[in-house]
Amino acid sequence: TQLLEQSPQFLSIQEGENLTVYCNSSSVFSSLQWYRQEPGEGPVLLVTVVTGGEVKKLKRLTFQFGDARKDSSLHITAAQTGDTGLYLCAGPNYNNNDMRFGAGTRLTVKP
Amino acid sequence: DSGVTQTPKHLITATGQRVTLRCSPRSGDLSVYWYQQSLDQGLQFLIQYYNGEERAKGNILERFSAQQFPDLHSELNLSSLELGDSALYFCASARGEIWGYTFGSGTRLTVV
Repeated sequence: TQLLEQSPQFLSIQEGENLTVYCNSSSVFSSLQWYRQEPGEGPVLLVTVVTGGEVKKLKRLTFQFGDARKDSSLHITAAQTGDTGLYLCAGPNYNNNDMRFGAGTRLTVKP
Repeated sequence: DSGVTQTPKHLITATGQRVTLRCSPRSGDLSVYWYQQSLDQGLQFLIQYYNGEERAKGNILERFSAQQFPDLHSELNLSSLELGDSALYFCASARGEIWGYTFGSGTRLTVV
């Protein structure tokens, strides 16, 4: 089973600060995805990265896939209270039949 | 609204009982995935169906079973419930792995 480790587990910052969260594995993934989950809701897909070294931007969010396709990072610039939530990374299992999720980073942005 | 519908939203039942959770996938999606989410275990893959056929199994207990019907909706059956089965159960649908999953809002199961 390919494991995805996310760090930090918890992060609490003030509005306006920048932050980076990480998703690491010892296995190579064909792609990685990032989701955000808010309380009482299911995870919502933010981005899929496919190519090693790829960088994708979604407004204030920047996603990077490691060159070796074993890790990914999510950087948020000037965090807002609306960014609060659980950030999950996920990658296809070796048989490509399901996605395996990391434990997530729980982000709290305080006003 | 994600397009994936899960019912019921909340369920409270006693130990030893059996419950059925229902999921209607997004229109056009043939794959349905079931996940269990608890505070200490995160999102755990249970089982996948594709166009009515079981495709993959994860950490699904023998007390749990699922099926996908011809209209592509899916049901997850949980029997002989234990306190430890209390969790959020999510259904997700997808057209293909690379495009990501669309999750429903989940069913919160509480076993008392």
